[in-house]
Amino acid sequence: EPEVTQTPSHQVTQMGQEVILRCVPISNHLYFYWYRQILGQKVEFLVSFYNNEISEKSEIFDDQFSVERPDGSNFTLKIRSTKLEDSAMYFCASSPEVYTEAFFGQGTRLTVV
Amino acid sequence: GIQVEQSPPDLILQEGANSTLRCNFSDSVNNLQWFHQNPWGQLINLFYIPSGTKQNGRLSATTVATERYSLLYISSSQTTDSGVYFCAGGGAGSYQLTFGKGTKLSVIP
Repeated sequence: EPEVTQTPSHQVTQMGQEVILRCVPISNHLYFYWYRQILGQKVEFLVSFYNNEISEKSEIFDDQFSVERPDGSNFTLKIRSTKLEDSAMYFCASSPEVYTEAFFGQGTRLTVV
Repeated sequence: GIQVEQSPPDLILQEGANSTLRCNFSDSVNNLQWFHQNPWGQLINLFYIPSGTKQNGRLSATTVATERYSLLYISSSQTTDSGVYFCAGGGAGSYQLTFGKGTKLSVIP
């Protein structure tokens, strides 16, 4: 069964460093998303991406964050200068169309120290 | 944006018992999903159910779109059902899913 895959599963980084979280969405899907979940809290939307551009972003997704689809299979989230409060589980998701079922990857747990 | 309320926040069940989890939405949704978050943090898709009723084994879900709520039924619960259950909805004109705070289910032997 096709699935969304994320790498790495766990990343530890020092405050102020840049990190890139990687995702391979399901191959025939057109819509891609990043969400995050701070430990013990609910899952929050960051950004959606369609046709090589951002289609929607939340207030959380400020200038510190960027997304890119560098080739036909990968979808990345870059955090430019990490802060302690960026520590969270980051989920990538994809869906074949808008308003259809979204499938989530297993998550990348980011720890900023 | 849409507000999502889940109830109850916590639920403890004896193995074999049945349960009903509820999700209320502040506005109409075009998109509604139920997830189970396992102890490793993975979000497992349970149902995509913007309206109607679906069943998958011991789990079933019903969404009454006109009244803006959805229910998840778990029958004959097992210890492996433990974890956090989230519902999430997306409104018209929005690409995002808004998640509720979840129901933490603990099934004890």
